[in-house]
Amino acid sequence: SAVISQKPSRDICQRGTSLTIQCQVDSQVTMMFWYRQQPGQSLTLIATANQGSEATYESGFVIDKFPISRPNLTFSTLTVSNMSPEDSSIYLCSVGQGARNGYTFGSGTRLTVV
Amino acid sequence: KNQVEQSPQSLIILEGKNCTLQCNYTVSPFSNLRWYKQDTGRGPVSLTIMTFSENTKSNGRYTATLDADTKQSSLHITASQLSDSASYICVVSANSGYALNFGKGTSLLVTP
Repeated sequence: SAVISQKPSRDICQRGTSLTIQCQVDSQVTMMFWYRQQPGQSLTLIATANQGSEATYESGFVIDKFPISRPNLTFSTLTVSNMSPEDSSIYLCSVGQGARNGYTFGSGTRLTVV
Repeated sequence: KNQVEQSPQSLIILEGKNCTLQCNYTVSPFSNLRWYKQDTGRGPVSLTIMTFSENTKSNGRYTATLDADTKQSSLHITASQLSDSASYICVVSANSGYALNFGKGTSLLVTP
């Protein structure tokens, strides 16, 4: 299965600032996703990162708050903009590799907003 | 609404003991069910994946079962080790696209 490198692994940020999270995959993948995991909660899909076009956002998530880039089939970024303490979560990227291989997750970015 | 419910919410066992985690789902139409292990501060790592026709699948000391009729799955851990301490997440896919339905996880603590 694909190997995902996600960084930073953690960060502490001031409210009102922005943080960009990077996700690098060791092979070309079609399906790439960004998730948020709030403390004690399950993973929630933020958006699907589409190569060459705008990301597809889930209900409750908007591009102005979570802009996503996908310049090629191996790389994507998620920016958390104008952060507030409520944005403190773990953010994970994931790639889908078909029914046989399932979904692989990055190691996550633990974000704390103070 | 597609839902995935896991129990217990948390569990503490002694090293060397066995345990079983439960997952009930209402996802329909069912495509597959995965169990993931998530260490603290890390991303989830796949343990098993089962389709409709599979009843049991093993991965070392982890054995997952699936009853598609009752929409229940279990994850059995044999001879637990301290490194098994983690959150175990049940994830169910529907046939309609790539959307995943996540359970909230069972937090397992294995103590010496």
